[in-house]
Amino acid sequence: AQSVTQLGSHVSVSEGALVLLRCNYSSSVPPYLFWYVQYPNQGLQLLLKYTSAATLVKGINGFEAEFKKSETSFHLTKPSAHMSDAAEYFCAVSDSSGTYKYIFGTGTRLKVLA
Amino acid sequence: DTEVTQTPKHLVMGMTNKKSLKCEQHMGHRAMYWYKQKAKKPPELMFVYSYEKLSINESVPSRFSPECPNSSLLNLHLHALQPEDSALYLCASSPRAGGPNEQFFGPGTRLTVL
Repeated sequence: AQSVTQLGSHVSVSEGALVLLRCNYSSSVPPYLFWYVQYPNQGLQLLLKYTSAATLVKGINGFEAEFKKSETSFHLTKPSAHMSDAAEYFCAVSDSSGTYKYIFGTGTRLKVLA
Repeated sequence: DTEVTQTPKHLVMGMTNKKSLKCEQHMGHRAMYWYKQKAKKPPELMFVYSYEKLSINESVPSRFSPECPNSSLLNLHLHALQPEDSALYLCASSPRAGGPNEQFFGPGTRLTVL
């Protein structure tokens, strides 16, 4: 069965510092992976997706993620944090058993310090 | 139109009430989803509709009754809910259900059951 693990339920960074949010997956087949952001009292917004094309994926708002098969990871990074990046971030894998429903990680709350 | 809309934004209901949540998309997507999200948790899948037919029911109690009147609309009928059903209810859509494609989320309905 597929699964997603997000290490660190809370991450704090200073404004202007590197953002690194970790996501590891477990899958017996090539996975399709997604990062979503959720601002308070809002829905989820897609940041980026990996669908077996380029391993370095660029998304919106300056975020990118690198797919590393050897490490079963899909970590999300941003070179310089902005106050507006403070939100909840979810990593998800698309289930390959035939339903293609999402399997979400538990989420990481990003706090940006002035 | 590239968004999923949900109404109402907020809903307060008693345990004996009957209410409905509405979701709409005009992106031509043929798969639509209902999720329930409790505070500080990832969304939990409730139902999936594919080509207006219910394809996945994640063992949701019968007090939640989904309906897909056409390819653009998705309703969730609520009856005799319990206080523990209070949550953010998210609707999502994707181009199709039979493949690993991204889901587009609405802003959610914040439901409070008294």
